[in-house]
Amino acid sequence: GQNIDQPTEMTATEGAIVQINCTYQTSGFNGLFWYQQHAGEAPTFLSYNVLDGLEEKGRFSSFLSRSKGYSYLLLKELQMKDSASYLCAVIDSNYQLIWGAGTKLIIKP
Amino acid sequence: GAVVSQHPSWVICKSGTSVKIECRSLDFQATTMFWYRQFPKQSLMLMATSNEGSKATYEQGVEKDKFLINHASLTLSTLTVTSAHPEDSSFYICSASPGTPEYEQYFGPGTRLTVT
Repeated sequence: GQNIDQPTEMTATEGAIVQINCTYQTSGFNGLFWYQQHAGEAPTFLSYNVLDGLEEKGRFSSFLSRSKGYSYLLLKELQMKDSASYLCAVIDSNYQLIWGAGTKLIIKP
Repeated sequence: GAVVSQHPSWVICKSGTSVKIECRSLDFQATTMFWYRQFPKQSLMLMATSNEGSKATYEQGVEKDKFLINHASLTLSTLTVTSAHPEDSSFYICSASPGTPEYEQYFGPGTRLTVT
């Protein structure tokens, strides 16, 4: 079966750095997304990785290792507004989007 | 660009009634639209995928006669929850894809449905 694993919840301190991991086992791979979702709102796009390596976009970076079936989202200089759920999603060989359960990130002052 | 709207943003209805939710792509043509449901503290659950002019493809466990999907044009899809019950109360989110790339989805703001 297809499976995406992420930690259920993480806590970090304002101003610090946090890394949210995502591992996947899917039938084929055509890319990996990270989305941010605040409570009661729809997801918003953060990043897309299809090649191995690190993609940096401001305070957020996303890393992919296809051989390991592994990605992480790195958030730097954490702000209170970064408190949200972070969803990892993988596109399989049929171009279906497979969603992880999401990681709830709690930022403390 | 790539804005998707949903209407209504929230709705309260009585048990046994039907509710229609609209999803519109405002500045692009959506070859494919997706309907998701999300219960509190859970991830998105894909309900169905619809392509303009054809019948929707429902995920396993989703009753197609209860959740009617119509994708009448390249900018509009509707989800009708028929004979709603309290257990249908959820956050319904649509997303739309322009088709190129095939995987790119843009999400609407969601509709909070409460069935009393």
